[in-house]
Amino acid sequence: DQQVKQNSPSLSVQEGRISILNCDYTNSMFDYFLWYKKYPAEGPTFLISISSIKDKNEDGRFTVFLNKSAKHLSLHIVPSQPGDSAVYFCAASAGGGKLIFGQGTELSVKP
Amino acid sequence: DGGITQSPKYLFRKEGQNVTLSCEQNLNHDAMYWYRQDPGQGLRLIYYSQIVNDFQKGDIAEGYSVSREKKESFPLTVTSAQKNPTAFYLCASSIGPSGRFYNEQFFGPGTRLTVL
Repeated sequence: DQQVKQNSPSLSVQEGRISILNCDYTNSMFDYFLWYKKYPAEGPTFLISISSIKDKNEDGRFTVFLNKSAKHLSLHIVPSQPGDSAVYFCAASAGGGKLIFGQGTELSVKP
Repeated sequence: DGGITQSPKYLFRKEGQNVTLSCEQNLNHDAMYWYRQDPGQGLRLIYYSQIVNDFQKGDIAEGYSVSREKKESFPLTVTSAQKNPTAFYLCASSIGPSGRFYNEQFFGPGTRLTVL
């Protein structure tokens, strides 16, 4: 039972344009959400997070939006850069420190 | 320079052998985690520990064992009972239950285990 789903395995975007990565979840007990970026053969690095009491959090070029009623969150990267090419994982927590990860979306930013 | 180290980067073992993966952190974090990543899948939790001398099973603990004798160290043993051990293994840590950023986990570089 996949509680966190990233339905797009891959996304290709032109440099300078917006990248939108999507994530859906089923567990209404999730109250904290995170996005991680991962390069091949490396560990994921934390990008940005959002608490369920908010609907938006922004950090530089990265913005995360949370729609609790739709159980949906998205990560916007603007403008996209070639160095953003990586696999992006969304993760959710219902407390206790455990994170549930989605399958990942591979972003390719073309020059 | 604080961080999480995992060694070795690549590990090869024969089928039927137990193998132990190392994970060390100098971030003074209370909580530590082990994940497994397979192609096309997300990270799946194997075991986690929120405090020394205590640990809990994650979603896919069968065929694995851990110990947490020191705050800095959380080794994972892949036993011969694990049916499909070839994977990329990731260790992570977080501040711990009393910390404000408890949910934010920091990851090591990973160990690629191949069982021949």
